[in-house]
Amino acid sequence: DGGITQSPKYLFRKEGQNVTLSCEQNLNHDAMYWYRQDPGQGLRLIYYSQIVNDFQKGDIAEGYSVSREKKESFPLTVTSAQKNPTAFYLCASSPRGGSSYNEQFFGPGTRLTVL
Amino acid sequence: AQSVTQPDIHITVSEGASLELRCNYSYGATPYLFWYVQSPGQGLQLLLKYFSGDTLVQGIKGFEAEFKRSQSSFNLRKPSVHWSDAAEYFCAVGGMEYGNKLVFGAGTILRVKS
Repeated sequence: DGGITQSPKYLFRKEGQNVTLSCEQNLNHDAMYWYRQDPGQGLRLIYYSQIVNDFQKGDIAEGYSVSREKKESFPLTVTSAQKNPTAFYLCASSPRGGSSYNEQFFGPGTRLTVL
Repeated sequence: AQSVTQPDIHITVSEGASLELRCNYSYGATPYLFWYVQSPGQGLQLLLKYFSGDTLVQGIKGFEAEFKRSQSSFNLRKPSVHWSDAAEYFCAVGGMEYGNKLVFGAGTILRVKS
């Protein structure tokens, strides 16, 4: 079955450590996205990539980094510069072109907790 | 800045009662509109979408939504709520005016009482 996988489901980090969240899709989608979700704030866009080897900052990119070396993979690194990283992180993808470009499919999420 | 408003943070309805969740967006001549549902600790599932054409769209799980351009609204409805509908619901808007990204509302948490 086609879909988006995120790993791990739960991640614990000590202050000052960088951690990388995995996101893989086998939907053959061109675009991929990372969102952060906090209670009562909806989803906020961290980074997005419309094509391999290219990505753009979203609304809250500070303290995060990404790479897009392969079409199916879009890992997110939460760096020690992110002051409040405890949150639920969602990865999404969408096909490219036309109105369908906007329809996004979501992974199951990773809950990151800073100890 | 582009924004999406879901004015109700929480809504409680009785099982079997009708439901309407409100959504308003700030601007866009040709918005693409979506409703997603999220169960606790899970990802988002698409309920329905509007790109063009008939302004009343049908989705999964018996949900429907109506696009009203004059009111910049895209309200979600269900005639009879089931206990399994308890979840958080997000409205999202996209399109060229939104840089081909999605802007999400803050969400509405639906509680269903028996």
